[in-house]
Amino acid sequence: DGGITQSPKYLFRKEGQNVTLSCEQNLNHDAMYWYRQDPGQGLRLIYYSQIVNDFQKGDIAEGYSVSREKKESFPLTVTSAQKNPTAFYLCASTGGMTRGYTFGSGTRLTVV
Amino acid sequence: GQQVMQIPQYQHVQEGEDFTTYCNSSTTLSNIQWYKQRPGGHPVFLIQLVKSGEVKKQKRLTFQFGEAKKNSSLHITATQTTDVGTYFCSNSNSGYALNFGKGTSLLVTP
Repeated sequence: DGGITQSPKYLFRKEGQNVTLSCEQNLNHDAMYWYRQDPGQGLRLIYYSQIVNDFQKGDIAEGYSVSREKKESFPLTVTSAQKNPTAFYLCASTGGMTRGYTFGSGTRLTVV
Repeated sequence: GQQVMQIPQYQHVQEGEDFTTYCNSSTTLSNIQWYKQRPGGHPVFLIQLVKSGEVKKQKRLTFQFGEAKKNSSLHITATQTTDVGTYFCSNSNSGYALNFGKGTSLLVTP
């Protein structure tokens, strides 16, 4: 079955460390997205990519970086510059905006 | 990005009661998408509305897009415990990415 796989499901990071969240899809979708979810805040866009080797900043890109070297993969790095990284991170993809997003199951990142 | 505002933030109903959540914008929207997120889960796409005054139904769920395309609503008839979750509206005026409202969390007690 096609879908989006995010790993790990839970991640603990010490302050000052960079950490990379994985997102892989086998839906043959061109567009991929990263959102951050905090309680009561809805989903906020971090980065998105419309095509391989190209990506754009979203509303809250500071302290994050991404790459899109393959169509299937869109990893997100949370750097030490991100001041409040503890959150639920959701990756999504779409084959066309009219079809809606398909989301992964998310990664819960906690800074300890 | 263009913000959509959702009300109420929370709603607690008894099983069998109806439920409605509203999504509002100060500007005209090109489309509205609705998603449902179960507790501990991820958002799942429900529907997209594009036309002015459009009404779509999915079993007990009725989705409406306002005539001025500035608001939308999701109505659930005779709620069940399986309806528990957070309902988000979103729009993609830019055509590139969705902007989500903060959601309405629905709690249904038997």
